[in-house]
Amino acid sequence: SAVISQKPSRDICQRGTSLTIQCQVDSQVTMMFWYRQQPGQSLTLIATANQGSEATYESGFVIDKFPISRPNLTFSTLTVSNMSPEDSSIYLCSAKTHSGDSYNEQFFGPGTRLTVL
Amino acid sequence: GDSVTQMEGPVTLSEEACLTINCTYTATGYPSLFWYVQYPGEGLQLLLKATKADDKGSNKGFEATYRKETTSFHLEKGSVQVSDSAVYFCALSRSSNYKLTFGKGTLLTVNP
Repeated sequence: SAVISQKPSRDICQRGTSLTIQCQVDSQVTMMFWYRQQPGQSLTLIATANQGSEATYESGFVIDKFPISRPNLTFSTLTVSNMSPEDSSIYLCSAKTHSGDSYNEQFFGPGTRLTVL
Repeated sequence: GDSVTQMEGPVTLSEEACLTINCTYTATGYPSLFWYVQYPGEGLQLLLKATKADDKGSNKGFEATYRKETTSFHLEKGSVQVSDSAVYFCALSRSSNYKLTFGKGTLLTVNP
């Protein structure tokens, strides 16, 4: 298993500003992901954070809006840029471990609750 | 593309009632299937999983069986408790990319 922490846990930001969310895993993991959960909605994958290379974004998400870094096997950041109220969501980091499991289990961080005014 | 459809709530039950939350999926091949739970104010936790047809995942009294013929993975519990009140998400994942595709979630409220 893996324990994932995120910082900050919540924030209230002004329109037009940017916020960087940090995700730390307590063990080396093969893959890390960023999801968004809009109020009352399900989770939507933003991107796969690739170690040492550019993130892979899902349809509807672009690097200029959601730049992602992953400098090593245990850490990643997601920046929400030029925020608007529509960006108000919970942002979750997840990771898949090296365990060699036959299934594709992912562990999730506690989430960062972002409110944009 | 892949998709997950689950019973929309909210679902309200009395303690000790039986629970079924329906989940069906659309995907080619043999994805892995999951149920995640999100308790009030907390993060997402894996509840149970199944990786191949006819597998049964179980945890905390909850069960779900991977039915390839009906492309379903319904969540069941014989006797719910107040502490089971949460949002339940059905999800699938492929070994080719490990990305999770979630259903919309079902809010369960259990009253004493």
